Amino acid sequence: GQQLNQSPQSMFIQEGEDVSMNCTSSSIFNTWLWYKQDPGEGPVLLIALYKAGELTSNGRLTAQFGITRKDSFLNISASIPSDVGIYFCAGLLGANSKLTFGKGITLSVRP
Amino acid sequence: SQTIHQWPATLVQPVGSPLSLECTVEGTSNPNLYWYRQAAGRGLQLLFYSVGIGQISSEVPQNLSASRPQDRQFILSSKKLLLSDSGFYLCAWSDRSSGANVLTFGAGSRLTVL
Repeated sequence: GQQLNQSPQSMFIQEGEDVSMNCTSSSIFNTWLWYKQDPGEGPVLLIALYKAGELTSNGRLTAQFGITRKDSFLNISASIPSDVGIYFCAGLLGANSKLTFGKGITLSVRP
Repeated sequence: SQTIHQWPATLVQPVGSPLSLECTVEGTSNPNLYWYRQAAGRGLQLLFYSVGIGQISSEVPQNLSASRPQDRQFILSSKKLLLSDSGFYLCAWSDRSSGANVLTFGAGSRLTVL
């Protein structure tokens, strides 16, 4: 089946630093999504990407849909303590297909 | 606007007891509905999804079942809980008519089986 790879499992950064997260797949996807899960809450959609090569920003977040359609990255600039959480990438092949999720990266931000 | 509600938020149950977790969606009709389980604060495992009333697809064999008695209601059940059923259960919905199965999640239900 399709799998999305996110590594490392955990990242530790200092407040104010930028951080980049990658998500890769051996198969192509036509939609890439990035979710963030705060502790004890459900994941919330951060950014959706619908076209290969697309670069989209949402405040301090920037995400790109890889040109090969097999990867995506998420950048967080000038991190703050509330950026703490689990970041999931997810891929969608077609309109009626189910989302494939990565295992997530747990981000910790030291004040 | 659309909202999704899950309850209870937290549940502690003894082994062998029954389970019922409920999820309702408001502000949309004919949604796709999903139940996920998240163990140990990590990956999301799809348990069930439904494209309509009474239509349930199971993704993994397990001790749980799902039902969709109404268009916007999705219920996760068990007749006898196991210790391994402990986890964080997330309900989600997507708009089938949008052309992309982007999920919106509920706030989750944390189940501890003792």
